[in-house]
This record gives sequence, C-alpha cells and structure tokens, in this order.
Amino acid sequence: NAGVTQTPKFRILKIGQSMTLQCTQDMNHNYMYWYRQDPGMGLKLIYYSVGAGITDKGEVPNGYNVSRSTTEDFPLRLELAAPSQTSVYFCASNGRGNQPQHFGDGTRLSIL
Amino acid sequence: AQSVTQPDIHITVSEGASLELRCNYSYGATPYLFWYVQSPGQGLQLLLKYFSGDTLVQGIKGFEAEFKRSQSSFNLRKPSVHWSDAAEYFCAVVPSGNTPLVFGKGTRLSVIA
Repeated sequence: NAGVTQTPKFRILKIGQSMTLQCTQDMNHNYMYWYRQDPGMGLKLIYYSVGAGITDKGEVPNGYNVSRSTTEDFPLRLELAAPSQTSVYFCASNGRGNQPQHFGDGTRLSIL
Repeated sequence: AQSVTQPDIHITVSEGASLELRCNYSYGATPYLFWYVQSPGQGLQLLLKYFSGDTLVQGIKGFEAEFKRSQSSFNLRKPSVHWSDAAEYFCAVVPSGNTPLVFGKGTRLSVIA
C-alpha cells in the first residue's frame, strides 16, 4: 500500500541547474498537488491538477513547471534552480478537492 | 484577506497535561476544516476533519476538535498529552467546493517530562 511516493528524498543542486521531482500515487486519485514548506511558513501551494491533462497555478508557481500526462504521475520541474527554491517539497493527492489529502514523505532540496 | 491563522507558533506542555491548539479562519461560508500532524522528517498525517453535522469531531491518537461558527474557530484538543505527541500541527481549510487547501503556518508542540 504505497500511497503517494516521492523521489528523490534528498538532493543538492547548483544554481542554474535543472531537475525534476517525481511524484506518483496508486490510489487512482484525480487531484494532485505540489507544496513547498519553509520554516515557520506552513505549506504553500505551487501547482495542482484536477485530472490528467489539466494543471493550474497555486500561490507560488514562479520558477516551476508541471505536467500531468497520466492519473498516477505529477512531476514538478525546476528549470533554473535558484537559492530561493531551497525548501522541502511535498506532493499530495485526493479523490476530490474537499477530501483529505494524502501526502508523500517529501523531497528536501538544497540549492547552493 | 482570507486566511487561516494559528496564533501560537510554539507551545510547550508537560506530559499528562491537557492541550488546546487554536485555529481561526476568515472565510465567509462554513469551509471544510482539517487538522494535520507532521513528525520531524515526515509528511503530513490527517488527524481529523469537519465537513458538517456534530461540531465536536473525534480523530486519531485521542485528539478532538470543536467547530465554533460564531468564533470562526476549529481548535484542537487532547485531554492528556504523551511525549510522542511532540510534532508540528497544521490547521487547514478548503474554503468552498473544490478550491485548493489553505494551510495555517503551524504550531510546534514540545512535550516535557
């Protein structure tokens, strides 16, 4: 019973590099989300998706891109990494927008 | 601006003491309300939720929360805290329909012997 799986768990990037954070869920959920968590700031929504082929911006989308080609996968891409993107990133999913979200264990990303 | 407020950044309680964590929201309609817990290095786990009906809801790990419409509050309580309850607690709100979840900034709970 995997739930929401995020890879990698940790990553260090240099400024200007790019990378993709992977997120997959096995619960057949339509809704998927990406958040970033910074100390003392709670979770901020980056992007979300209500189904395959549909994505929408959250509160802090700048510097990120997403795609949703399948129900299971919702990767988050950083094109030109900046120190301000150092954070812990969480992926989550639910069957409908007002249902409880299931969270992955997070990806801790440092950009130096 | 519409928001979710957790007034207490950090709370310290003694093991066995009671606990109340505060949460206020500023949305017009009654939203969907949640409390999540995050242990260090982990993702978020749902403690309880309120959609409608009985305003006192029970959750996992002995937690409960009470929705008070007149105060726009959804405070989390536990009668007797255990050392394993030390974690960060987040109140979250779905303002209406299928709009995305909005989180408070969290309250960090420390438990002392």
